[in-house]
Amino acid sequence: DVKVTQSSRYLVKRTGEKVFLECVQDMDHENMFWYRQDPGLGLRLIYFSYDVKMKEKGDIPEGYSVSREKKERFSLILESASTNQTSMYLCASRPKLVQETQYFGPGTRLLVL
Amino acid sequence: SQQGEEDPQALSIQEGENATMNCSYKTSINNLQWYRQNSGRGLVHLILIRSNEREKHSGRLRVTLDTSKKSSSLLITASRAADTASYFCATPRNSGYSTLTFGKGTMLLVSP
Repeated sequence: DVKVTQSSRYLVKRTGEKVFLECVQDMDHENMFWYRQDPGLGLRLIYFSYDVKMKEKGDIPEGYSVSREKKERFSLILESASTNQTSMYLCASRPKLVQETQYFGPGTRLLVL
Repeated sequence: SQQGEEDPQALSIQEGENATMNCSYKTSINNLQWYRQNSGRGLVHLILIRSNEREKHSGRLRVTLDTSKKSSSLLITASRAADTASYFCATPRNSGYSTLTFGKGTMLLVSP
């Protein structure tokens, strides 16, 4: 079974803090994704990576950066957390093939005070 | 912009009844996927239907795809309380990296 894990289920941070959200997958998938999910807005793509050290902006990259130093790990970084980044963050991975499904982690619910 | 839009936004039924959710999309696609999300959890893939398929079954799930109407439906037969979840359709973006666009979801409540 594919397993995608996220470092924290719940996280509380203060405005201005640097926040790291970690995602690890164990299936040697090339592609990895970070989404945020907000009520009424659905899932929105923040960043994705199609290979080690490669990254592409999604729909809402502002205020975020990412790092992919190893194939299995994809990190989302909030350089200076703000209250409008309070959200549910979902990581996903997928093999290279176009029509393959995405496998999601359990999510991290981040509260920025 | 959203590619897939689910309808209805929320659906409440009794156990044993069938639940039907619809998804409409805007541009041509080569496949469409449905995912389920239990409250506060990640999404789980349910089924993928390709553009050359009209109907697909998986257990109590039946998915149809009408490319002429740019719509898909997900039918859950003989629903159970454990089917209570949000259901999302997802379609490929028209980009070189083939990311997915998710709809806003249908929230299904199945009461015992």
